[in-house]
Amino acid sequence: GESVGLHLPTLSVQEGDNSIINCAYSNSASDYFIWYKQESGKGPQFIIDIRSNMDKRQGQRVTVLLNKTVKHLSLQIAATQPGDSAVYFCAEMRLEYGNKLVFGAGTILRVKS
Amino acid sequence: GAGVSQSPSNKVTEKGKDVELRCDPISGHTALYWYRQSLGQGLEFLIYFQGNSAPDKSGLPSDRFSAERTGGSVSTLTIQRTQQEDSAVYLCASSSNRVGETQYFGPGTRLLVL
Repeated sequence: GESVGLHLPTLSVQEGDNSIINCAYSNSASDYFIWYKQESGKGPQFIIDIRSNMDKRQGQRVTVLLNKTVKHLSLQIAATQPGDSAVYFCAEMRLEYGNKLVFGAGTILRVKS
Repeated sequence: GAGVSQSPSNKVTEKGKDVELRCDPISGHTALYWYRQSLGQGLEFLIYFQGNSAPDKSGLPSDRFSAERTGGSVSTLTIQRTQQEDSAVYLCASSSNRVGETQYFGPGTRLLVL
């Protein structure tokens, strides 16, 4: 419920605008970076991933940018829709330690109609 | 096809009782993961099974937590002598064993310890 907002940053955007959600990571040795979307009462849903040797990857209405110099990851959502409202998590994976994911804290995206 | 399923969806228990949480991974997925999500927090890794290899238990917070995976499919996470701080959503995910393969999550079990 609403108490999630007490701990997570919130991004509010107007329907139709573009959204940019940011994530800072700490492990420069991570091999993959992944974005997940989590709607209330549901498990995380995979959105898009990017390998550490890439700078940019595009999907349907989403683009992930990776800046290894400053250890920064961003998710861009084009033409944001009400159905995009959710909590967005970035996660990193270091293959040396298996496929386990290390998650960031999350960002709440609220889309205003 | 069917995704990852978890049961029960909600569990309320009294402090000190044991609980068992079940996960049915996607058919054919050899890797299975348990994560915990406390209120307003991100996901915390607990344990990881990959095929017949010894599980990676490095994320289990105490010896009250254990998990097993029978027949390379269904997994059970057991919490003994539950404490109020164990209240959280317990999420299971599965993936194939290919390098960097996407993990698909179940809906989670919401555990409340009174």
